[in-house]
Amino acid sequence: IAGITQAPTSQILAAGRRMTLRCTQDMRHNAMYWYRQDLGLGLRLIHYSNTAGTTGKGEVPDGYSVSRANTDDFPLTLASAVPSQTSVYFCASSDQAGTGATDTQYFGPGTRLTVL
Amino acid sequence: GQNIDQPTEMTATEGAIVQINCTYQTSGFNGLFWYQQHAGEAPTFLSYNVLDGLEEKGRFSSFLSRSKGYSYLLLKELQMKDSASYLCAVRDGDYKLSFGAGTTVTVRA
Repeated sequence: IAGITQAPTSQILAAGRRMTLRCTQDMRHNAMYWYRQDLGLGLRLIHYSNTAGTTGKGEVPDGYSVSRANTDDFPLTLASAVPSQTSVYFCASSDQAGTGATDTQYFGPGTRLTVL
Repeated sequence: GQNIDQPTEMTATEGAIVQINCTYQTSGFNGLFWYQQHAGEAPTFLSYNVLDGLEEKGRFSSFLSRSKGYSYLLLKELQMKDSASYLCAVRDGDYKLSFGAGTTVTVRA
């Protein structure tokens, strides 16, 4: 089934631990994105990648890193988790990096992360 | 950056019409999107406007006025399944999306 998958679905993590959230898409989309969603704040962009091999910083990149070794995968790493990183994390992808008429972003099911 | 405002909550009766307004201030504009998000689920695409005017898709319509920095999403013939959050998102000149905080719509029988 085509789409975006994320793993894990949820995770409870001790502060200071390292964690990688996985995201895989099979739609051959060029662009991929990581957002966090917090109550009352909406979706905020953490990092993005317009194409394999390139990444960029979004609105709230501190404490997070990403890599884009190939088209399909876009992992998000928390090097040393802190309680303020408790959130729901969504990965998204789009067909082109802004050259298409709609360039709609499609979202994965999300990862609910709790940092204690 | 972007400043996107939409109401926090709205309540309506089944079968009625609800209009969700979104205002934005942008450093660059390249389209406005509406997404629907049910509780505990991912956002799903509803509509896209890049030119002024009304786009209609079944029971849902979206309107854009670029000169006023204003959009609305119109939901007609409300059904219980329309209870969800509705997210307004603006795409900037760098083709990144900025989202409003979302409007939670509750449909009552």
